Amino acid sequence: TQLLEQSPQFLSIQEGENLTVYCNSSSVFSSLQWYRQEPGEGPVLLVTVVTGGEVKKLKRLTFQFGDARKDSSLHITAAQPGDTGLYLCAHTGANSKLTFGKGITLSVRP
Amino acid sequence: SQTIHQWPATLVQPVGSPLSLECTVEGTSNPNLYWYRQAAGRGLQLLFYSVGIGQISSEVPQNLSASRPQDRQFILSSKKLLLSDSGFYLCAWSVLLGSGELFFGEGSRLTVL
Repeated sequence: TQLLEQSPQFLSIQEGENLTVYCNSSSVFSSLQWYRQEPGEGPVLLVTVVTGGEVKKLKRLTFQFGDARKDSSLHITAAQPGDTGLYLCAHTGANSKLTFGKGITLSVRP
Repeated sequence: SQTIHQWPATLVQPVGSPLSLECTVEGTSNPNLYWYRQAAGRGLQLLFYSVGIGQISSEVPQNLSASRPQDRQFILSSKKLLLSDSGFYLCAWSVLLGSGELFFGEGSRLTVL
């Protein structure tokens, strides 16, 4: 099983600041997903990255897949309180099961 | 459009009592269905998945079982709950097994006292 390490575990920032969080592994991924989960709700898929070096943008969120497909980053520009939540990265292993990292808890203060 | 619902949303049960959480998907046929458990707002652990009616795969040994009596219905059960069964249970579906793109229900918060 490929382990996903997410960092930092917790992040508290002021509205308007920029931030970058990470998802790393020692193994190569065929693809990787980012999800966001708000308290008391199920995770919602944000993006899937497949190609090494790929960059995808979702409004103020920028997702990058590492060239070697072992890591990914999520950058948020001008964070807003609505960005608060748990950010999870996940990948599908050789057993076709989706495995999640432990997540990054982001709090954006107004 | 496809929707997924699970219930109840919140459940408080005594140790040793039975459990039944239900999940239904609408707007799609032959979905892959999953039950995950999440501890303390952290990562998700896959408990069971199903690729079709009556087909259940268990990922971890535990006090729980799952059943899929209909194409779009997935049930999580226990005959006797343990304190360690407390957690946030999430049902999800996908079009393709192994696609990584799952659609989750609203979750069920179980507290065992």
